[in-house]
Amino acid sequence: DVKVTQSSRYLVKRTGEKVFLECVQDMDHENMFWYRQDPGLGLRLIYFSYDVKMKEKGDIPEGYSVSREKKERFSLILESASTNQTSMYLCASSSRTSGGGEQYFGPGTRLTVT
Amino acid sequence: GQNIDQPTEMTATEGAIVQINCTYQTSGFNGLFWYQQHAGEAPTFLSYNVLDGLEEKGRFSSFLSRSKGYSYLLLKELQMKDSASYLCAVTTSNDYKLSFGAGTTVTVRA
Repeated sequence: DVKVTQSSRYLVKRTGEKVFLECVQDMDHENMFWYRQDPGLGLRLIYFSYDVKMKEKGDIPEGYSVSREKKERFSLILESASTNQTSMYLCASSSRTSGGGEQYFGPGTRLTVT
Repeated sequence: GQNIDQPTEMTATEGAIVQINCTYQTSGFNGLFWYQQHAGEAPTFLSYNVLDGLEEKGRFSSFLSRSKGYSYLLLKELQMKDSASYLCAVTTSNDYKLSFGAGTTVTVRA
């Protein structure tokens, strides 16, 4: 079974703190993605990576950065957390060879910034 | 950019059938995914359509019309456990990104 794990299920941080969200997949997938999910807005892509040390901006990258030093790990960084970054964050991975690029999701991290 | 529309909410009775529509306007369209997401959980894959027509998988079926920019997910013999959000997502050629609709929350009543 494909497994995508995220470092925390729930996280509470203060405004201005630096926040690290970690994602690890165990299926040797090339592609990894970070989304945030908000009511009424669906999943919105923050950043993605198709290879180690490679990163691309998604639809809403402002206020975020990412790091991919190893194939299995993709980290999302909030340099200075703000209250409008309170959200559910979902990591996903996919293989280049699977038909259509089905994505497998982690359980999510619910981040609250106070 | 992508424009993907699906209804916000639907309610149906246990044992009934529900059809969730998804329309999209996407340049370079390649294929369409449906995911199921229970409250507080991760989305899980349901179906993938790349060619026109109906794909059946047990109680769930998914249809695609590329010329109309339209898909639907059909849930038959509804069960209480089918209460969830259903997400429509599209991919474009030569890209692995998914663009998601806002999701449809289905509530199954006894």
